[in-house]
Amino acid sequence: EADIYQTPRYLVIGTGKKITLECSQTMGHDKMYWYQQDPGMELHLIHYSYGVNSTEKGDLSSESTVSRIRTEHFPLTLESARPSHTSQYLCASSEFGMGTGPQHFGDGTRLSIL
Amino acid sequence: GIQVEQSPPDLILQEGANSTLRCNFSDSVNNLQWFHQNPWGQLINLFYIPSGTKQNGRLSATTVATERYSLLYISSSQTTDSGVYFCAVEEYGFQKLVFGTGTRLLVSP
Repeated sequence: EADIYQTPRYLVIGTGKKITLECSQTMGHDKMYWYQQDPGMELHLIHYSYGVNSTEKGDLSSESTVSRIRTEHFPLTLESARPSHTSQYLCASSEFGMGTGPQHFGDGTRLSIL
Repeated sequence: GIQVEQSPPDLILQEGANSTLRCNFSDSVNNLQWFHQNPWGQLINLFYIPSGTKQNGRLSATTVATERYSLLYISSSQTTDSGVYFCAVEEYGFQKLVFGTGTRLLVSP
């Protein structure tokens, strides 16, 4: 069982608020990822990191930002939430090495912007 | 970029039935992973299978990389198998996964 935690599990908040979604893992994995998923649809990569102080944008353009100051922590921030940001956000991690190792996911944050 | 197609898109089974899910991809890949997303949205890694065959209980998977497809077999299905099954691939030189659109499985008692 992978040890990767996301908080909050659910968030309903008004337009214009600043939001930070938390993701932490206790496995010492170097690689971490954020995905966005609309209900019943495929996952789209929005951010990833290969280690401390490394962040890259994913395949889907996103107005969110990320930081990686500690190996275990990879928070995602939305400076000013809009209804178009309503979605599920999933965090994942994998070991460092050639290619992407088995990815392990947190339980996700379901975000609803009113 | 690489295209990942899964079939069938939807599948309804009676408990106890067997099924085969397919994942086709359009280019060579470094690895392939199968995931199960349960009705509560939690995503579980089932297999890391760049090639060959692996088995885990009632589930098994086979990837034929040279022919660019992978199969997931579910035997003696149970209601807890319901959810969405995703295939995801990593292209050579890109250390990130591209997900297919999924197969939605409903197992009825």
